[in-house]
Formats: sequence, C-alpha cells, structure tokens
Amino acid sequence: DVKVTQSSRYLVKRTGEKVFLECVQDMDHENMFWYRQDPGLGLRLIYFSYDVKMKEKGDIPEGYSVSREKKERFSLILESASTNQTSMYLCASRGTSGKGELFFGEGSRLTVL
Amino acid sequence: DQQVKQNSPSLSVQEGRISILNCDYTNSMFDYFLWYKKYPAEGPTFLISISSIKDKNEDGRFTVFLNKSAKHLSLHIVPSQPGDSAVYFCAADLYNYGQNFVFGPGTRLSVLP
Repeated sequence: DVKVTQSSRYLVKRTGEKVFLECVQDMDHENMFWYRQDPGLGLRLIYFSYDVKMKEKGDIPEGYSVSREKKERFSLILESASTNQTSMYLCASRGTSGKGELFFGEGSRLTVL
Repeated sequence: DQQVKQNSPSLSVQEGRISILNCDYTNSMFDYFLWYKKYPAEGPTFLISISSIKDKNEDGRFTVFLNKSAKHLSLHIVPSQPGDSAVYFCAADLYNYGQNFVFGPGTRLSVLP
C-alpha cells in the first residue's frame, strides 16, 4: 500500500523560529510536492521537486525553502516562522504511471504564535 | 485570479439523494481533471479522474462529467451516504504531467441522515 508520511501532525512554534517539516514516501516516486491548505483558498503549491537535489518554486514560495537530498525524502523549511504561516501543510508525491494522481500525507498543522 | 473555481463553498444533501459538485476552470490548456476528498485532520485522497478526451467517467457511485466547451466539470454521487461528508477539491493538470496541478478552493459536502 502506498504511503506518504509526514513527521509531525501538530506543531506550535513562536515567531522567528526555524521550522522543519519532513516528508517521506515509499513509492519510489520522482515528483514530490509541498502544499498549504487554507480555508477558502484550497491547496496552494509552495515548492515541488522532480528529482533529487532539484526543486522548483510553486505559486507561493516566499518565506519557504526545501531540500531533497534523497529520492524518498522532501523537507520544507521555514527559515523564520511568521504568524501568517499558520496553516495545514500537505506533502504529496506522484509517479509517472498509473492514474497520475497525487498521493498525500496526513498533513502537518502548524501554529505560529 | 483562480484558474479553478468551485463556487459553492458548501452543500447539504439528504442521504440517498444525488450530490452534484461543480467546478469551473479558465485555462483551456488543462487536459486532465481530478477530484479529491478530504476528511478533517487527514490528507486528501484521490477519488476519480477524467481526461479531456472523454466527457464522462464512472466509478461506482461516483461519476465525473466534463464539458470542455463550457470549461466545466461536475462530480455526481449517487446515492449519497453520510460517510461522503467531506471537503471535495477539484484539480486540473496541464499536459506536461505532474508539475502543474491547480486546485480549486473546495466544497464542503454534508450528507444528512
């Protein structure tokens, strides 16, 4: 069974702290994504990666960076957390076969105080 | 400007009746469309997809209709069940497969017993 695992389900951080969100997939997928979900705005793409050490900006990359050192792992980094980054963060992966759908992790609910 | 729109933030339907969720898009280059379902505190899960070469795809109680000329798609759930209560996201993809998913804001479906 396919699996995307996000390291933390719930985090509470203070303004200015550095935040790491980890994501691991076990499907050998090439493509991995980080989204944030906010009410009324749906899912917005922050960054994606189509290969190890490769990354591309999505629609809202400001205030975020990513790292993909291994194929199965994609990390989202908030260098200096701000209150407007309080959100649900969703990691996803996608292969190049099958129905072409994204497989999502369970999400990480981040609250920045 | 949102490229994928779901103009109904919420929808309530009686158990056993049909649920119809609508989605409109503006980019005529989209050629693959998906529906995702999301329960609270969980990641979205893939429901059904349709390619632009088709106008209908059916999977059990779920049917997606695509009207390319109107840039409109809809998800029909028949019969609706209380377990279908969730947020439904419409998503669209470009031909280069995998790096340009665009999600709508979601519609919250409540199926009343």
